[in-house]
Amino acid sequence: DTAVSQTPKYLVTQMGNDKSIKCEQNLGHDTMYWYKQDSKKFLKIMFSYNNKELIINETVPNRFSPKSPDKAHLNLHINSLELGDSAVYFCASSQEFSGVGNQPQHFGDGTRLSIL
Amino acid sequence: AQTVTQSQPEMSVQEAETVTLSCTYDTSESDYYLFWYKQPPSRQMILVIRQEAYKQQNATENRFSVNFQKAAKSFSLKISDSQLGDAAMYFCAYRDALTGTASKLTFGTGTRLQVTL
Repeated sequence: DTAVSQTPKYLVTQMGNDKSIKCEQNLGHDTMYWYKQDSKKFLKIMFSYNNKELIINETVPNRFSPKSPDKAHLNLHINSLELGDSAVYFCASSQEFSGVGNQPQHFGDGTRLSIL
Repeated sequence: AQTVTQSQPEMSVQEAETVTLSCTYDTSESDYYLFWYKQPPSRQMILVIRQEAYKQQNATENRFSVNFQKAAKSFSLKISDSQLGDAAMYFCAYRDALTGTASKLTFGTGTRLQVTL
C-alpha cells in the first residue's frame, strides 16, 4: 500500500490556467508538507500543515493555496499558472507531535508540472 | 537560517567499491537531525539514513554509514560495496529538533552518483 500518494503524477497545462494537486497519506501522521523541486533538482519547503492548521509558509506567492480538509489530506491549488511554476512538487508527511523526536518525513512520488 | 552544502555535484564509483559523499551544514542550534535521501531516476525520495546530533555514534544502515563530525558540522555518507542500484541523486538534509513543532527539511543541492561496471 502506498504510504503517501499524490495525483496526478504528471500535469501539463497552459500558462494562466488553475490546477490542483492532491495528496493523501495513510500513515496516520499529523503533519503534511509540500516541497518544490526545480529544474536544477533543488528541493525547498513550501508549506506545512499540522492537523489542518498551517504551520509553515515559506514566502510562496499567494497564487499557491494549500488546503487540508483533514489531517490525512493536503491539496495544493495553483492559480494563474506561470512558466516558472514548472517543477516537481512533492508531498510529504511525518508524525511531529508524538513526543518522540527524529521522525523522518515520508515522501510521495512527486507530481511533475509542466507549463506550456 | 540553516544551510546545507554539498560540494560534489557528481561522483562516480565502480561497482563493489566504496564512495563517500560530502555534506556540510551551518546552524546555531545544538540539537538537530541530519538525513541522507536518495532520489533514483524514478523520482522517489527514499530515506537512506538518519543521525541525531546528540548521538556521538555514527549511524549505520547495512552498506550505508555516516561520518558525523559535529564540531566541524560535517555529515558525509559512505556507501560500501556499491551496486548498480545505488546510482541516484543523493540529498543531504537538516532539520531542527524542535520538540512538538513541525520542522521543515533544508536540503543540499544534491550529488549525482554514477555506478560503473
